[in-house]
Amino acid sequence: DAGVIQSPRHEVTEMGQEVTLRCKPISGHNSLFWYRQTMMRGLELLIYFNNNVPIDDSGMPEDRFSAKMPNASFSTLKIQPSEPRDSAVYFCASSLDTGNQPQHFGDGTRLSIL
Amino acid sequence: QQQVKQSPQSLIVQKGGISIINCAYENTAFDYFPWYQQFPGKGPALLIAIRPDVSEKKEGRFTISFNKSAKQFSLHIMDSQPGDSATYFCAARKTSYDKVIFGPGTSLSVIP
Repeated sequence: DAGVIQSPRHEVTEMGQEVTLRCKPISGHNSLFWYRQTMMRGLELLIYFNNNVPIDDSGMPEDRFSAKMPNASFSTLKIQPSEPRDSAVYFCASSLDTGNQPQHFGDGTRLSIL
Repeated sequence: QQQVKQSPQSLIVQKGGISIINCAYENTAFDYFPWYQQFPGKGPALLIAIRPDVSEKKEGRFTISFNKSAKQFSLHIMDSQPGDSATYFCAARKTSYDKVIFGPGTSLSVIP
């Protein structure tokens, strides 16, 4: 059974460039979450979707960040323009929203903005 | 505002010892308390979870103790092994349809 798949695993780019992170949730899961992890701030929820609809985007740091979920099997997190302080590990997670179902995390994208 | 507090930030335990990680929360509306384990280069994975109507839950060497009146809960790892070395996050959620609030994490190192 395939887990949450994220791509790319690593991304290094220059400041000012557009960055797109991709996520394929577990089939059948209807909630999807984007997190950012840094040493300073820990694990932060950026946005989450339920049935492809954004429910809470209060964690999105700035207008430079945007997320979409065009269908149940794909989501993107875009940063434009990127800045060095965006460097972090970005995780995608998915879950069933029935009852207390666990979130299943992907292995993350390690993003470095030079 | 940190809704879920966690301590210690890091912990070193000898093999065979007991690892204890403590968490506290403020919001009495929280009704689900999961613990996640994260290995380097991997995403967090659910380890064990508890609801506040239960004071203790045990799964193998891992036990959650829950004190509803004190708004505190803790993870005990019995007979700690080097393979348990990881970062542990406590978390809380208000309802099935709400977001999970994670604690800041505890880095555990189990030394031989």
